[in-house]
Amino acid sequence: GAGVSQSPSNKVTEKGKDVELRCDPISGHTALYWYRQSLGQGLEFLIYFQGNSAPDKSGLPSDRFSAERTGGSVSTLTIQRTQQEDSAVYLCASSPGITGGARFFGPGTRLTVL
Amino acid sequence: DQQVKQNSPSLSVQEGRISILNCDYTNSMFDYFLWYKKYPAEGPTFLISISSIKDKNEDGRFTVFLNKSAKHLSLHIVPSQPGDSAVYFCAASAEYGNKLVFGAGTILRVKS
Repeated sequence: GAGVSQSPSNKVTEKGKDVELRCDPISGHTALYWYRQSLGQGLEFLIYFQGNSAPDKSGLPSDRFSAERTGGSVSTLTIQRTQQEDSAVYLCASSPGITGGARFFGPGTRLTVL
Repeated sequence: DQQVKQNSPSLSVQEGRISILNCDYTNSMFDYFLWYKKYPAEGPTFLISISSIKDKNEDGRFTVFLNKSAKHLSLHIVPSQPGDSAVYFCAASAEYGNKLVFGAGTILRVKS
């Protein structure tokens, strides 16, 4: 399919381990967004990219979180020394333009930190 | 501090009738608003958006109304269909759609 894909779909890890979450946006989309949804909550903004640049990283919860995007395509969200409060569904979205919001979401990665 | 609030956790509507989902916001800098629906175990699906220069936007069965003075927006679905049963999120942005702030969602159930 031509939609946004994310991997893995599920990840269970132990507290203190590092995890990498991957997002493959729709080809040609300039903007890429990361959000997360904790149980029973709305979506929380983490970071967005315009091309390979992240104009605003203020949504990242702590310095344990980092993200990069390469080649204007694939993005990786890395969480170091995971904590139980990091457990959530991590959602990636892409959009063709740099305005107008997140238009196409992937299915998400469910992260569980034991 | 919840900047975007969806005060109704759930709504039940008969098939064929109108569904009205409401959303309130507190940040007067918000200039762009979106509605999404979400099925379990899937990512949100974009439905419709509106910028602050408009007070209404329509797309098929979906209409969004914006009342800036009241800091209130609503999504109307007419006619409602059983397939519309999902969680609906409103979202707002002060940066042309980037850095969306989401409400907690409203569960819509359309009964046939």
